[in-house]
Amino acid sequence: SAVISQKPSRDICQRGTSLTIQCQVDSQVTMMFWYRQQPGQSLTLIATANQGSEATYESGFVIDKFPISRPNLTFSTLTVSNMSPEDSSIYLCSFRDTGTGELFFGEGSRLTVL
Amino acid sequence: DQQVKQNSPSLSVQEGRISILNCDYTNSMFDYFLWYKKYPAEGPTFLISISSIKDKNEDGRFTVFLNKSAKHLSLHIVPSQPGDSAVYFCAASGYEYNFNKFYFGSGTKLNVKP
Repeated sequence: SAVISQKPSRDICQRGTSLTIQCQVDSQVTMMFWYRQQPGQSLTLIATANQGSEATYESGFVIDKFPISRPNLTFSTLTVSNMSPEDSSIYLCSFRDTGTGELFFGEGSRLTVL
Repeated sequence: DQQVKQNSPSLSVQEGRISILNCDYTNSMFDYFLWYKKYPAEGPTFLISISSIKDKNEDGRFTVFLNKSAKHLSLHIVPSQPGDSAVYFCAASGYEYNFNKFYFGSGTKLNVKP
C-alpha cells in the first residue's frame, strides 16, 4: 500500500495562533481524510478532503476552524485556526485503499495548545 | 452517539496466553469492520478486517470473529507477545451508510506481561 507521512509530528502552540499540518502520500489516492483523537478518546472524522473542491465536513466541524486544502491526489493540508487548549489533540491524515477498503493512517501530528 | 463501543479500557495478559479484545456496535447497516493497533507517538496501524459476509477471518496470530446477531466482534491474539502491547481500536463502516466514514471505538489498552 501507499506510504503516508505527516508533518509536523508534534508542536506546542500558543492560544490564538494557527497551525497547518501537511500530509503527503507517495502515490495518488482518491479519498483522503482528516481525523482527530482527543486525549483518551476515540478517533473522530473531521472532514473528507476532496481534490479540486471544498472539503466535506462532519457535524461539529466547520471550515473556518479547520480549513483544508487538497491541491492534488497526493497532498493535503489541515489548518487548525485560532487555537485554544481544547484543540490539543492528535490530528491524523488517512486515505482509503479503494481496492481493499482498508483505511491507512499517517503517524499523526500531536498538537499541544498552551 | 457512540455507535462503536469498546467497553474494556484496558486488558492485561501473560505472554504466550490468548488476548481477547471485544467490540460492540449498534448500527445494523455496518458491514465492514477493522482492527487497528496504535503505539504511542505513532498513527494507527491496520491489523485485520472482516466483512459481514463472514464470521471469521484469520491472519497469523490474529483472528477476528463477527457475531452479527449480537452486533459484536472480537479480536483474538494467540499467542500474545510483549510487542503486542498497544492500544487496539475497532472500527466499522457501512457500504450503504456513509460509505467512507469509519466509526471508531474508544480503544482497549493491551499490556502483555513477559
